[in-house]
Amino acid sequence: GQNIDQPTEMTATEGAIVQINCTYQTSGFNGLFWYQQHAGEAPTFLSYNVLDGLEEKGRFSSFLSRSKGYSYLLLKELQMKDSASYLCAVADSNYQLIWGAGTKLIIKP
Amino acid sequence: DTAVSQTPKYLVTQMGNDKSIKCEQNLGHDTMYWYKQDSKKFLKIMFSYNNKELIINETVPNRFSPKSPDKAHLNLHINSLELGDSAVYFCASSQVTSGGRNTGELFFGEGSRLTVL
Repeated sequence: GQNIDQPTEMTATEGAIVQINCTYQTSGFNGLFWYQQHAGEAPTFLSYNVLDGLEEKGRFSSFLSRSKGYSYLLLKELQMKDSASYLCAVADSNYQLIWGAGTKLIIKP
Repeated sequence: DTAVSQTPKYLVTQMGNDKSIKCEQNLGHDTMYWYKQDSKKFLKIMFSYNNKELIINETVPNRFSPKSPDKAHLNLHINSLELGDSAVYFCASSQVTSGGRNTGELFFGEGSRLTVL
């Protein structure tokens, strides 16, 4: 079967750095996405990785290792507004997105 | 301008009723989707639809039926609502690349929270 695993919840301090991990097992791989979802709102696109390595975009970076079926999202200089759920999703061989349940990130002052 | 809009945002109804949720996108995308997000926060695809094909997720009961009058609209009709249908339903769209492949980046509507009593 297809499976995306990520921690249910994480807590971090304002100004710090946090890494949210995602492991996946899917039938085929056509890229991995990270989305941010604030409570009561729609998910919004953060990043897309299809090749191994680190993609940096401002305070957010995303890393992919296809051989390990592993990705992480790195958030630096955390701000209170970063409190949200972070969803990992993998595009399978049919380009359908398989979603994880999301990691709820709580930022404390 | 709202890229993907869906109505209503909130819907409360009784078991056994029939209801519809409407979705419109002004992004010019070829592919539209309906997702269900339940209390466990999993996003589960229900349907994807593009100019050529309606893809039905086999786990979706046939009480759910998508209707697409044109490529900018994908409505969701639900018959004989059940308690387990209570969830947030998200409409989304994406663009198919010139090679016929979906980029995968989704643009979501704000969601429609359905509560079945």
